[in-house]
Amino acid sequence: GAVVSQHPSWVICKSGTSVKIECRSLDFQATTMFWYRQFPKQSLMLMATSNEGSKATYEQGVEKDKFLINHASLTLSTLTVTSAHPEDSSFYICSATPGGLASNEQFFGPGTRLTVL
Amino acid sequence: QKEVEQDPGPLSVPEGAIVSLNCTYSNSAFQYFMWYRQYSRKGPELLMYTYSSGNKEDGRFTAQVDKSSKYISLFIRDSQPSDSATYLCAMSRNQGGKLIFGQGTELSVKP
Repeated sequence: GAVVSQHPSWVICKSGTSVKIECRSLDFQATTMFWYRQFPKQSLMLMATSNEGSKATYEQGVEKDKFLINHASLTLSTLTVTSAHPEDSSFYICSATPGGLASNEQFFGPGTRLTVL
Repeated sequence: QKEVEQDPGPLSVPEGAIVSLNCTYSNSAFQYFMWYRQYSRKGPELLMYTYSSGNKEDGRFTAQVDKSSKYISLFIRDSQPSDSATYLCAMSRNQGGKLIFGQGTELSVKP
């Protein structure tokens, strides 16, 4: 089956620093990758959709200058949380959709837990 | 009003019970319906995927979609302790489109 990895799995940082999270599709090419945020006991909220080689599309209310997304290749997308603050502490999950398949399936990564002190 | 409503539970059942999980939605444009299972501190994994109204069965799992009532269900037969997880419904308007998730129902199956 299709596998998506994320790195790191957890990170603790000081307020004001920037954190980069990587999302990789290990055995397929992902034309589209999605970034979600999930607070405890709550659902996944889509932050942005990224297509390889083009700018990400952000959901309403998500600051594009704070959450920088780069989808430089068909197997890698990165999310950088700039000048992180405690309210950015959350579980960040990416997903990827294989290109060329008539399927709606998104394959999810294991998530990255960010704690900002 | 949220686009997708799901009872967060928690729901606790004995091993072997039949579990019924449900979601309601307000947007009649949704055509693709999914159920995901998420273990603690892990990413969601796809359990069932259905298009439009109808039933779909896979082993102990059955998904039902009633578009006229804007209501979807997931049934788990002969539930096992390993089924203990959070179950999220999700839906979208078109293939490859944005997924809207329910809040998730936390299920605990007691041995």
